Amino acid sequence: AQRVTQPEKLLSVFKGAPVELKCNYSYSGSPELFWYVQYSRQRLQLLLRHISRESIKGFTADLNKGETSFHLKKPFAQEEDSAMYYCALKTGANNLFFGTGTRLTVIP
Amino acid sequence: DVKVTQSSRYLVKRTGEKVFLECVQDMDHENMFWYRQDPGLGLRLIYFSYDVKMKEKGDIPEGYSVSREKKERFSLILESASTNQTSMYLCASSYTGKGITEAFFGQGTRLTVV
Repeated sequence: AQRVTQPEKLLSVFKGAPVELKCNYSYSGSPELFWYVQYSRQRLQLLLRHISRESIKGFTADLNKGETSFHLKKPFAQEEDSAMYYCALKTGANNLFFGTGTRLTVIP
Repeated sequence: DVKVTQSSRYLVKRTGEKVFLECVQDMDHENMFWYRQDPGLGLRLIYFSYDVKMKEKGDIPEGYSVSREKKERFSLILESASTNQTSMYLCASSYTGKGITEAFFGQGTRLTVV
């Protein structure tokens, strides 16, 4: 079952340009959503979670239940943002499902 | 620092071999996961365990089994390795607690089946 959809496999933006990585989900319960990031040669790690409503490294993500979306945004991309980004959904049973990922490249 | 350690960084096995991938976490987490990571397919859940000796199938359990005899250790077993199981395997663990649900990942095991 496709629970998390990331429509863009690749995304390239210029340094200083805004970034939006799209994520849509499908879940009948109350969703808990996350963005994870994997920098080159590093482990996959949590970037942010919707519950915290936080901004991490300039990134924010708002849960839109009406559109079942959790898009990741940053107003001004930096070169160090180049990485693989995964949207993830936690179900009520503590299971954790990931999307197919978006590789972000920030062009200097 | 939370540590999730996978026993091997790289493995090369022959078709038909029985393969064990081991994962250990040191944070007393209840939940442990095995994923495989393939380009264009993202992370696909193979198996999930929410307690010792408890397991649930993920999206792609075929050809795999798991073992969780101790809380800190979660093993992925390929009973008879096949070339289509060549992949990067990621182990993760998380705590079962309201609001504390971050998953911590191991460094990954790149398995090649020849």
